[in-house]
Amino acid sequence: GAVVSQHPSWVICKSGTSVKIECRSLDFQATTMFWYRQFPKQSLMLMATSNEGSKATYEQGVEKDKFLINHASLTLSTLTVTSAHPEDSSFYICSARDGVKGYTFGSGTRLTVV
Amino acid sequence: QQQVKQSPQSLIVQKGGISIINCAYENTAFDYFPWYQQFPGKGPALLIAIRPDVSEKKEGRFTISFNKSAKQFSLHIMDSQPGDSATYFCAATRRGGSTLGRLYFGRGTQLTVWP
Repeated sequence: GAVVSQHPSWVICKSGTSVKIECRSLDFQATTMFWYRQFPKQSLMLMATSNEGSKATYEQGVEKDKFLINHASLTLSTLTVTSAHPEDSSFYICSARDGVKGYTFGSGTRLTVV
Repeated sequence: QQQVKQSPQSLIVQKGGISIINCAYENTAFDYFPWYQQFPGKGPALLIAIRPDVSEKKEGRFTISFNKSAKQFSLHIMDSQPGDSATYFCAATRRGGSTLGRLYFGRGTQLTVWP
């Protein structure tokens, strides 16, 4: 079946540094990638949608200069949290959309900013 | 505005019992309704999905019931097992041509199945 590989699974970084999260579709071409943020015991909150080769579309209230999304190929999308602060600590999940297979989610990245 | 409303927030069921989670939506343009299962520290995984042209879909112990006129759909887990303990999310989206739009998620239901 469709597989989306997300790395790293967890990361701890110092406040003020940047962190990159990668999301790869392993056996299909992902026309669209979605990035979500999830707080404990809450639902997934869509942060942005990106289509390969074009700029990401951010949801209202999401700082595009803080959460940089790159979708340079049909199999790779990255989310970079720039100048991270403790309030950015969260669980980040990517999802790839393929018109045939539907949606496939990555395993998530637990970001802790200290 | 919550596009998809899900209840209950938490559910405790005895092993072998039936777990029922309900969802309701407002946007009649939605035409794809998936359910996802999420374990702690993991991403959601597709459990089962339904389109509005059918009223019920069954896969193993999991069944989706769909009521188009009431704009409601529900997940039934038969013979619930401790391994089913997880958070369940309903979702809805609208197909745009041959592709799917963004997913709108319910708030989630934390299911605990006691042995």
